Order: sequence, then structure tokens, then C-alpha cells
Amino acid sequence: NAGVTQTPKFQVLKTGQSMTLQCAQDMNHNSMYWYRQDPGMGLRLIYYSASEGTTDKGEVPNGYNVSRLNKREFSLRLESAAPSQTSVYFCATAGVGSYNSPLHFGNGTRLTVT
Amino acid sequence: GNSVTQMEGPVTLSEEAFLTINCTYTATGYPSLFWYVQYPGEGLQLLLKATKADDKGSNKGFEATYRKETTSFHLEKGSVQVSDSAVYFCAPGAGGYQKVTFGIGTKLQVIP
Repeated sequence: NAGVTQTPKFQVLKTGQSMTLQCAQDMNHNSMYWYRQDPGMGLRLIYYSASEGTTDKGEVPNGYNVSRLNKREFSLRLESAAPSQTSVYFCATAGVGSYNSPLHFGNGTRLTVT
Repeated sequence: GNSVTQMEGPVTLSEEAFLTINCTYTATGYPSLFWYVQYPGEGLQLLLKATKADDKGSNKGFEATYRKETTSFHLEKGSVQVSDSAVYFCAPGAGGYQKVTFGIGTKLQVIP
């Protein structure tokens, strides 16, 4: 049972390059989230998706786009990477039941933008 | 929306010391509350949960009681070990259209 799978695990980009971070889950969860984690800043919510076909901005959405491709997959796209986007990115999912479900996290994508 | 305020670290303790990490919540209604732990180089994983007022969650020697009267969900452990060194996060429940935000977490370092 894979749970929440993020690809790639590591990535190095040059400023201005684009890339898509992939997240897939096999938990049949409706809600999916993208966070970034920086030293001293904790986890910050970038975007989330309450269900297939819906997405909403989180705390720090600028510079990112998302796609909820289907129930299983939620991708995060950087159109023009900047050094400020160097971070560890986590995808998380939650099941049915507002306010009651724990988050299930992937192992993260470590992105460096030079 | 629902949110939490968590004691900031870092916290440094000697092995076998008593641990308390404070967490208070602001919520509409009574959401479930969770503690997560993040070990170095890993993602967050669920440590324990409480689903309603007066519930006590426990796991791996850690405990937290959902206290409605003080809107708190403090994490405690009677005797910490070096292997408990990690970052701990408190958070309300997720799901539906609930936007879940975290603080910076509390970094715990346990020294032998």
C-alpha cells in the first residue's frame, strides 16, 4: 500500500526553468494539499483541492499553479522557477469528513533552484 | 477557519526528562485535533489524535488531552529518549473545504 507518492524526490533547476511536481494517492481520499517547508518557516500551504475538479489558494500561492487531474493525482507546477522557491515540497491527503481527518503526507520533493 | 497556536522551540532536554509542548486552538465547533511528528529527512506522520472534548490521545508514550475549557491540546511525555528528537506539529482536522495551516513546529532535541 503506497499511500501518498511524490515524484521526483530531488530536483535541481536553473532560474527560469519550469517543472511539475507530481503527487498520487491510492487512499481514495477526496482532499489533497501542497505545502512547502523552509527552515524556520514551518509548513506553509500553497494550494489545496477539496475534491476532484476544485482547487483553492493557500497561504503562499504566487508563482505556482496546480491541477487536480483526477481523484488520485494533484500536480504542482512552477512555470518560471526562482531561487526563492528552493524548498522541500510536501503533498498531503485527507479523507471524507470535514474537520475530522488526519493528513497523510508523502515523503517530499527537495527542490533547489540555482 | 480553525487554527492552532503552538509553542515555538527549540526545546532541548536531557534523556528521561519530562516533556510538554503547548498547543492552543481556535475553532468553530469542535474539530478533531492532531499531533504530527517529523523525523529528520522525512515527511510528517501522525503521532496521536483526539476527536472530541475530554478525549485523550496516546501513542509511543506521548499523550495529549483535548481540553475544551482551556482550548488546549498540549503534548506530554513522561520520559523522553534520544530517539524522540524530531519536530512536532499540532493541527486541527482536515477534509472537505477545510484549509489546514501549520505553524513552524517545535523542534525537540534530546541529549544523552
